Amino acid sequence: SSELTQDPAASVALGQTVRITCQGDSLRGYYASWYQQKPGQAPVLVTYGEKSRPSGIPDRFSGSSSGNTASLTITGAQAEDEADYYCHSRDNNGLKYVFGTGTKVTVL
Amino acid sequence: QVQLQESGPGLVKPSETLSLTCSVSGDSVTTGNYYWAWIRQPPEKGLEWIGNSYKSGSTNYNPSLESRVTTSLDTSKNRLSLRLTSVTAADTAVYYCARLANWGSSGAFEIWGQGTMVTVSS
Repeated sequence: SSELTQDPAASVALGQTVRITCQGDSLRGYYASWYQQKPGQAPVLVTYGEKSRPSGIPDRFSGSSSGNTASLTITGAQAEDEADYYCHSRDNNGLKYVFGTGTKVTVL
Repeated sequence: QVQLQESGPGLVKPSETLSLTCSVSGDSVTTGNYYWAWIRQPPEKGLEWIGNSYKSGSTNYNPSLESRVTTSLDTSKNRLSLRLTSVTAADTAVYYCARLANWGSSGAFEIWGQGTMVTVSS
């Protein structure tokens, strides 16, 4: 079972802002990375570390962290942002890697 | 531009061994401070980290799979390999290889292969 918990689903109106969260004890000591996965495609890294984005990822995607919760915020959501989103971090012992349960984001 | 491509049988019989390879192009598996990972995703389910290999030969595995999994790097062929023994239907999944960069405190799977579907069935 995953040590990182995400809400199963979230929705956002086109152009509005949505924040999805990832909760787990390990997040008190480790940052999360976030991945976007569209149907039939491999995941794509969208944020990592404290507040970093790989090149080519729009700046409407931002990551943050507080206590045992990591968040991914999409500011000004676009239709193409509709996807599943997964967080990733280390396990509670810091030795292994774990993914969150995933959140399906729908853009209305 | 680094690219990863998984390959291997799409169908494996129960109790047999699943073997996959991941060819890396655009860079060497020994360049930089990267780990090379395997991740899987059962149909309609979430992602599961399987394990990592490093150029030194060190490995790190998911505890739930550790007794059955072996990953390795073949530096001469610039590829990574996955072996999973005694498979059952629960091992049916899309298998991805990925490069794990040492970014942030947890690393980041920055580059992924397209994935290959493996079905376990008689």
